[in-house]
Amino acid sequence: RKEVEQDPGPFNVPEGATVAFNCTYSNSASQSFFWYRQDCRKEPKLLMSVYSSGNEDGRFTAQLNRASQYISLLIRDSKLSDSATYLCVVNGYNNNDMRFGAGTRLTVKP
Amino acid sequence: GAGVSQTPSNKVTEKGKYVELRCDPISGHTALYWYRQSLGQGPEFLIYFQGTGAADDSGLPNDRFFAVRPEGSVSTLKIQRTERGDSAVYLCASSSSTLGPTGELFFGEGSRLTVL
Repeated sequence: RKEVEQDPGPFNVPEGATVAFNCTYSNSASQSFFWYRQDCRKEPKLLMSVYSSGNEDGRFTAQLNRASQYISLLIRDSKLSDSATYLCVVNGYNNNDMRFGAGTRLTVKP
Repeated sequence: GAGVSQTPSNKVTEKGKYVELRCDPISGHTALYWYRQSLGQGPEFLIYFQGTGAADDSGLPNDRFFAVRPEGSVSTLKIQRTERGDSAVYLCASSSSTLGPTGELFFGEGSRLTVL
């Protein structure tokens, strides 16, 4: 089983749609969780951290379910500029060691 | 303010050759990571340094891969006897000493390695 698993997509949605991505992780001792965004041929950049109580940043909402070892990202009112690959990131077997999922590709169309 | 710098940005080599990829992290960042990313895949963890020491090298695929960070700043990823399967983008990232729930990895633009 992979340490971090994501639905690869692609997700093709119209502008204004709401879209949700899921991610599961295998290490129950993981403490830190993140969503990163990667544009085509660019480096990954932090989108948001994921807190135990869930957190929101504008149109983006992240949720964590420790019992199910599951993380989600919800994007409301999708914009064309949201088109990218979204990477789920979990700290691995050492505290600062970070493992990435394969990414979920999103395309927002006019 | 300088970000993470990686050189070369592109490297084409022949099978069997030796390659070095360099990473210059953000000044003051004690943690440094190497990842490898193939097309359509997420970054695959290779090695993590805390200061000069390799805190976790469990992601190095085999003994042809080696990385050093002798002074706790610049790091070099070394690949011996390159194989076609080593072709990928090699990403370096740095962070402040402790990540915690608000930690962030800062990535360089990567070194694209092509083994012919």
